[in-house]
Amino acid sequence: DAKTTQPTSMDCAEGRAANLPCNHSTISGNEYVYWYRQIHSQGPQYIIHGLKNNETNEMASLIITEDRKSSTLILPHATLRDTAVYYCIVRRPTGNQFYFGTGTSLTVIP
Amino acid sequence: DGGITQSPKYLFRKEGQNVTLSCEQNLNHDAMYWYRQDPGQGLRLIYYSQIVNDFQKGDIAEGYSVSREKKESFPLTVTSAQKNPTAFYLCASETGGYTDTQYFGPGTRLTVL
Repeated sequence: DAKTTQPTSMDCAEGRAANLPCNHSTISGNEYVYWYRQIHSQGPQYIIHGLKNNETNEMASLIITEDRKSSTLILPHATLRDTAVYYCIVRRPTGNQFYFGTGTSLTVIP
Repeated sequence: DGGITQSPKYLFRKEGQNVTLSCEQNLNHDAMYWYRQDPGQGLRLIYYSQIVNDFQKGDIAEGYSVSREKKESFPLTVTSAQKNPTAFYLCASETGGYTDTQYFGPGTRLTVL
């Protein structure tokens, strides 16, 4: 059922920007892209979501391509506490379910 | 302090026993959800409720039951019919709109011995 594709793992140097890609080539016009992250043995934490415009909040920026077939989550200055699994989710318009795949395991290196 | 609480954080039970996991929220959210997560896997939806006294089965409801008698509470019972109950269980809530955000509790790790 997963509608998104993410790399299994990534590394990022502390203080540098972390750019996490996500492909969602079958996304429909009314489906939103959500990003969550999960630190080991904790509940997922909401990061950001968007429809077609780029979005920014205090945690991250979300860049969605013009054709909406892919997006990138940007953590501008990664810290060790950003080490987590990051999930890109396309939310279906029917029902209210979030379908979490296996995500990208981001490791921030000192 | 608003949020979602789940208790206990760790739970051990003997095989064949029913066990109930607690989920409470004080966010005034209408919708609540239960997910299951196995090691190295994503989340799978067990049950959800969009309003008090109503709930719907998710993708893996077999062996589980829920109730929604109060807006703030959505307990999950793992019955003896669930063949592989050992997992990390996560509760979430949201206001219920399609574009809304789900907020998750800290989770309960259930181990059946």
